[in-house]
Amino acid sequence: AQSVTQLGSHVSVSEGALVLLRCNYSSSVPPYLFWYVQYPNQGLQLLLKYTSAATLVKGINGFEAEFKKSETSFHLTKPSAHMSDAAEYFCAVSDLRANSKLTFGKGITLSVRP
Amino acid sequence: GAGVSQTPSNKVTEKGKYVELRCDPISGHTALYWYRQSLGQGPEFLIYFQGTGAADDSGLPNDRFFAVRPEGSVSTLKIQRTERGDSAVYLCASSPLAASTDTQYFGPGTRLTVL
Repeated sequence: AQSVTQLGSHVSVSEGALVLLRCNYSSSVPPYLFWYVQYPNQGLQLLLKYTSAATLVKGINGFEAEFKKSETSFHLTKPSAHMSDAAEYFCAVSDLRANSKLTFGKGITLSVRP
Repeated sequence: GAGVSQTPSNKVTEKGKYVELRCDPISGHTALYWYRQSLGQGPEFLIYFQGTGAADDSGLPNDRFFAVRPEGSVSTLKIQRTERGDSAVYLCASSPLAASTDTQYFGPGTRLTVL
């Protein structure tokens, strides 16, 4: 069975600082990986996804993530945090055997300090 | 265009009651998914539909939970004899097809509270 681990439940950065949110996955077949963001009182919104093309994936709002098979990781980064990035971030995995259902991590809350 | 909508946004019920949660997917999307998100957790898969049929209901926790999508568009999640442990946010998502690489578009959720 596939799974996702997001270590830590809360990350706090200063405005303008690097954002790094970690995601490790477990899958016995090549995975497809997703990052979703959830702003307060809103639905989940896709930031970016890896579907076995380029390993460095660029998403919306300046975020990007790199698929590293050797490390089973798909960490999310942004060079410079903005106050509007404060939200909850979820990493999710799917694969060809999963009937397209997503398995999510527990999520990480990002706070941005002025 | 319109996104995924869910009604009601909040539902408070008493233990033992029956509830229905509705999802209106994006027009033309073939696949529809239900997830449940408990406090402090990520969403957990419940069931997904390909058209009118339930293609995978392996995430439904027990036989008190049932979902339908009779015309391949709107879906209703039905919970019988609700229990306090059913309290959660129920999320609906839709995607154009049902490919594992498809983006799933999520609604805002229905927050269910069972007293």
